[in-house]
Amino acid sequence: DAGVTQSPTHLIKTRGQQVTLRCSPKSGHDTVSWYQQALGQGPQFIFQYYEEEERQRGNFPDRFSGHQFPNYSSELNVNALLLGDSALYLCASRQQGFDFIPGELFFGEGSRLTVL
Amino acid sequence: QKEVEQNSGPLSVPEGAIASLNCTYSDRVSQSFFWYRQYSGKSPELIMSIYSNGDKEDGRFTAQLNKASQYVSLLIRDSQPSDSATYLCAVNLNTGFQKLVFGTGTRLLVSP
Repeated sequence: DAGVTQSPTHLIKTRGQQVTLRCSPKSGHDTVSWYQQALGQGPQFIFQYYEEEERQRGNFPDRFSGHQFPNYSSELNVNALLLGDSALYLCASRQQGFDFIPGELFFGEGSRLTVL
Repeated sequence: QKEVEQNSGPLSVPEGAIASLNCTYSDRVSQSFFWYRQYSGKSPELIMSIYSNGDKEDGRFTAQLNKASQYVSLLIRDSQPSDSATYLCAVNLNTGFQKLVFGTGTRLLVSP
């Protein structure tokens, strides 16, 4: 049973460019969240997708956008990249159901983005 | 004030000792609390969750929660070198969504 898979694992971009990161959730999971983890910091919540809609968003500008597909996979897009966007981008999925009781989050290994 | 605060460490303990990791949070309505372990270059992995005041034990790990003091801790008994990692405290705010707020993590070093 594959866990959460993310691609690419590493990428380098220059300021002003755009990037798309991809995530396939663990089998049986339908809710996907994205987190940004800067070096030496804890993960910060970007947004969460369920039923192909953005359900909750953290304090990130509109340059950060996402999408969820019918097969539950998800993309994170970042436009007009800044040096400060350099970070590890983590995708996390959870079990079916969208309720008030938090379940365990399964994280992928992340996509490490470097902006030069 | 940060929503979730942890001492960044490193916390150094000898093998076999008890490691004590602490976390405070600012939002009184927080309902769920988690400890994640993150090895260098790897993704976070859930090791403990706790929802009510008191202690919760799982093997060598004990999580402690005191909602009145807004304090969560993790004890690791019989620490092993393989426990060397960064431990992230995470809080689920009572928003009805699965949004975890993480602390910056405490780096634990267990020496043989």
